[in-house]
Amino acid sequence: QVQLVQSGAEMKKPGASVKISCKTSGYNFISHYIHWVRQAPGQGLEWMGMITFVGETPGHAQKFQDRFTMTTDTSTGTVYMQLRGLRYDDTAVYYCARGPSFDFWGQGTLVTVSA
Amino acid sequence: QSVLTQPPSVSGAPGQRVTISCVGSSSNIGAGYDVHWFQQLPGTAPKLLIYPSKKRPSGVPDRFSDSKSGTSASLAITGLQADDEADYYCQSYDNSLSAWVFGGGTKVTVL
Repeated sequence: QVQLVQSGAEMKKPGASVKISCKTSGYNFISHYIHWVRQAPGQGLEWMGMITFVGETPGHAQKFQDRFTMTTDTSTGTVYMQLRGLRYDDTAVYYCARGPSFDFWGQGTLVTVSA
Repeated sequence: QSVLTQPPSVSGAPGQRVTISCVGSSSNIGAGYDVHWFQQLPGTAPKLLIYPSKKRPSGVPDRFSDSKSGTSASLAITGLQADDEADYYCQSYDNSLSAWVFGGGTKVTVL
């Protein structure tokens, strides 16, 4: 069955970076791109970006352009996202989701930014 | 301020029909982009309710249906049940932002 399994919760200090993984299984990962979506505590969903496994130019929200990077490992079907220069308002649950229809989601990774 | 506008809350008695609106613009829903609807139960990841093809993912009952007209879309839940209490989000693509955008979410309460 299709699964997206994310890495565990992280606690970081302001200004640090965080890298989260999303391992796909149960489908041909080459044929689907992966989105990243985050949700701050008590807030709604916010799209961050998307990436394919076939080297196409990833797309990301303008808001994160300068400090957000996505990469892939085609040998394991794993997608990574890195967010740099963490701020307190980056505290959120970060999700990966399968494109194009966001039909399967990872379990979420809580990132807490605290001094 | 979300690009897609949803009512903060809707409520209904068990068995009733409720609808959730999602108002966009000519750069997203009005441009013909697909609208996705998600249900999110507390502490869990969002769950897709209906594919753009109108097919439902496995396990989603046909009590959930969607429609689209002009720059708006809506989700209808018929035969409301207690386990339908959740947050619901609409989503589409916006070509002026070159980004996927979500509505602010609607909390459904079963009275």
